[in-house]
Amino acid sequence: DPKIIQKPKYLVAVTGSEKILICEQYLGHNAMYWYRQSAKKPLEFMFSYSYQKLMDNQTASSRFQPQSSKKNHLDLQITALKPDDSATYFCASSQDWGGGQDTQYFGPGTRLLVL
Amino acid sequence: QQKVQQSPESLTVSEGAMASLNCTFSDGTSNNFRWYRQHSAKGLEVLVSIFSDGEKEEGRFTAHLNRANLHVSLHIREPQPSDSAVYLCAVTNAYKVIFGKGTHLHVLP
Repeated sequence: DPKIIQKPKYLVAVTGSEKILICEQYLGHNAMYWYRQSAKKPLEFMFSYSYQKLMDNQTASSRFQPQSSKKNHLDLQITALKPDDSATYFCASSQDWGGGQDTQYFGPGTRLLVL
Repeated sequence: QQKVQQSPESLTVSEGAMASLNCTFSDGTSNNFRWYRQHSAKGLEVLVSIFSDGEKEEGRFTAHLNRANLHVSLHIREPQPSDSAVYLCAVTNAYKVIFGKGTHLHVLP
């Protein structure tokens, strides 16, 4: 059974619209993360959360807003979508946050295409 | 700003031949290093984590870390066609994980 669930798997949106990417982890982890992978770019860190608190935000745009309703949920709301937002968005989790001691485990990703 | 460079960009090996992948990083204070594998359009699978200089083996995957040379490598013993994927080097610096662009490994039967 998959331990990190991301929904939907694929998403097509029009420019200017808003979408929410869902992430749930069933590993009992306390820290969750979002990453973005665009064509020909390295996997890029976006946010980290620990016990539902934002720990680090490396996303310049306020159009990206993580939302954590439960410790094992970290959704990503993206508003005013632009074609440049087209990418695969990965959710990850680790036992605890900080220091890199704990391995981050990744979900299968949501592939977003903005037209 | 930590920079992580992987080489080669693409590597083709025959089934059973050793595959060697390289990763260099710019900040020697980095404390944790991991290799992940990403099959096409799928999530990342962690292969091996290494925290101190030397060697760490996980099955057919062996990582070598040399902090003085700012270098970490991955060696895949007896690669199989199912090992064809993108291999990502991940370097942890403070509380951030920085990834390289990856090496595309193709294993020919």
